[in-house]
Amino acid sequence: SYVLTQPPSVSVAPGQTARVPCGGDNIGAKSVHWYRRKPGQAPLLVVHDDSDRPSGIPERFSGSNSGNTATLTISSVEAGDEADYYCQVWHTSSDQPHVVFGGGTKLTVL
Amino acid sequence: QVQLVQSGAEVKKPGASVKVSCKVSGDTVTKLYIHWVRLAPEKGLECMATLDREGDKYYARRFQGRVTLTADTSTDTAYMELSSLTSEDTAVYYCATHSVDPTILTYWGPGTLVAVSS
Repeated sequence: SYVLTQPPSVSVAPGQTARVPCGGDNIGAKSVHWYRRKPGQAPLLVVHDDSDRPSGIPERFSGSNSGNTATLTISSVEAGDEADYYCQVWHTSSDQPHVVFGGGTKLTVL
Repeated sequence: QVQLVQSGAEVKKPGASVKVSCKVSGDTVTKLYIHWVRLAPEKGLECMATLDREGDKYYARRFQGRVTLTADTSTDTAYMELSSLTSEDTAVYYCATHSVDPTILTYWGPGTLVAVSS
């Protein structure tokens, strides 16, 4: 099975830039999607296909993907960005679901 | 715009089964991949199973034998049944689907809380 590795937590001060890494074997060859989940809410897609933003997601959210690491970048972090962030890929295999999530990273705004 | 409406919270005894529904509007289940994702306390998102538009089903290895996916095309409703429940299955269960690309979980249901307690 394909494993995605995220740090459990990232902390950043308001106005600074947060970077959330997601590691995987040759993940640069896959399309990576990112979701934000706030307590009591369903996950929300914030970046898809490595670096594209869905309609309604602020430009502060961006992504990159190369080699063995994909990264979600949130610039000018606000208190409202505090949430859990998950990376996700589509892993083609005949014996398991194709959706694979990272373990999630809790973003704390100091 | 696809919308997903899920059934209400459930409380189950250990060893019982639970069946969660996910009604699709704005499209039809025969055109969509429906993914079932759960979020257990202090754990991360975990995809349990996927029903594709051809009706093929993919189950995560650790849920194989315990999870069953079905769909009612007359009502555009997908179902996920999980059997032999233990306290470890206490979680919020989400159905999710896509816009154009089935690899991207664009639309999510609100989640169904399943609590397993004796």
